[in-house]
Amino acid sequence: QVYLVESGGGLVQPGTSLRLSCLASGFTFSDFDLHWVRQAPGKGLEWLGFVSYDGSNQFHGVSVKGRISISRDNSKRTASLHLTGLNAEDSGVYYCAKGDFGGPSITDSFDVWGRGTLVTVSS
Amino acid sequence: VLTQTPLVSPVTLGQPASISCRASESLVHSDGSTLLTWLHQRPGQPPRLLIYKISNRFSGVPDRFSGSGAGTDFTLTISRVEPEDVGFYYCMQATQFPVTFGQGTRLEIK
Repeated sequence: QVYLVESGGGLVQPGTSLRLSCLASGFTFSDFDLHWVRQAPGKGLEWLGFVSYDGSNQFHGVSVKGRISISRDNSKRTASLHLTGLNAEDSGVYYCAKGDFGGPSITDSFDVWGRGTLVTVSS
Repeated sequence: VLTQTPLVSPVTLGQPASISCRASESLVHSDGSTLLTWLHQRPGQPPRLLIYKISNRFSGVPDRFSGSGAGTDFTLTISRVEPEDVGFYYCMQATQFPVTFGQGTRLEIK
């Protein structure tokens, strides 16, 4: 069964940092890029960034540039998101998504999504 | 920028529905492909892939869903709305970074 599971959310203090994890199962994790998307309460989807299949490349969204780092450990089938300088606008559900792009890809889209982990930034 | 219309779509069960997504610039990639996706998000659930590359239904998606369009103008059509179709629909482009989403359209049953 193909799935992604996020963890690490919770209540965090403004000005601090968070680290979220995304565990993959059911597919060859090291063959695919891994993207992070968040959704503020009652709002739409916002792309945060991605790490390439081999961890050699990252690209970040404008709203979090300079505060975000995405990494992965293919031996553990896990990707991580590290976000610093948290403020209330960083509250929301954080999703990881499998990027089916390039090479032998079929969809050139996000074909698998995790269920998300909720982050609340508040004092 | 992706602009969806309408933002709310009240539909009668069994009737058709359509959602438009307009891009501020062409979504045609240099290799000729157009990476325009439609996602569906039910309340309390993560988004799921419906349509990829404008008009291709993802695995398990009913054939009442179809996508069309080219360049900057795209449409998602539901031929006969079912109760499980409620929720938010988002268009998404991955032709160029950053990946962007439309604002979302809420489909509701009249």
